[in-house]
Amino acid sequence: AQTVTQSQPEMSVQEAETVTLSCTYDTSENNYYLFWYKQPPSRQMILVIRQEAYKQQNATENRFSVNFQKAAKSFSLKISDSQLGDTAMYFCAFMKQNTDKLIFGTGTRLQVFP
Amino acid sequence: GAVVSQHPSWVICKSGTSVKIECRSLDFQATTMFWYRQFPKQSLMLMATSNEGSKATYEQGVEKDKFLINHASLTLSTLTVTSAHPEDSSFYICSARDGGFETQYFGPGTRLLVL
Repeated sequence: AQTVTQSQPEMSVQEAETVTLSCTYDTSENNYYLFWYKQPPSRQMILVIRQEAYKQQNATENRFSVNFQKAAKSFSLKISDSQLGDTAMYFCAFMKQNTDKLIFGTGTRLQVFP
Repeated sequence: GAVVSQHPSWVICKSGTSVKIECRSLDFQATTMFWYRQFPKQSLMLMATSNEGSKATYEQGVEKDKFLINHASLTLSTLTVTSAHPEDSSFYICSARDGGFETQYFGPGTRLLVL
């Protein structure tokens, strides 16, 4: 069975600084997808970034980028130039290819301070 | 981008009553929708996968007779919590898959409080 681990329950960062959120996963699959979702206080889940396991290049979306280390089964999220609106819970998630089941980590609560 | 709505956003009901929650994909057709449950300060747990025109697939430990799912059209799935009890109080979130893409788009959630 696949598992997703987020070892940082809470993180904080000052506005304009950079922060990295950790995520590791366990799977025997070779083809899969990884996601980072953001859940702000409104509780609306928002897709931040996704990565296909077959791609070696790390995904980037504006201020958000990932460090995908397939061999180490690590998928960290880097937020550059942090903004107050980045304050939220961040969930790492795994999906095996050709399935629809998202497996979520326990989340990291990020607080951005002015 | 793909938008998913849920109704109602919150509901309070008495123990023993049934509650229906709607999930709609507003600008795309979703052959597959998903229902999650999230307890306070916890992660999302998949309850069931809802397929248009067929029976839902429930995750292990989820009572299919208690959580009735109907996916009657390509844009609507409903979750009915039957004979609700206080322990059913939770945040229920739906998501929908946009065609052949792997990404799921989430609704804003429904907070259920059973008194």
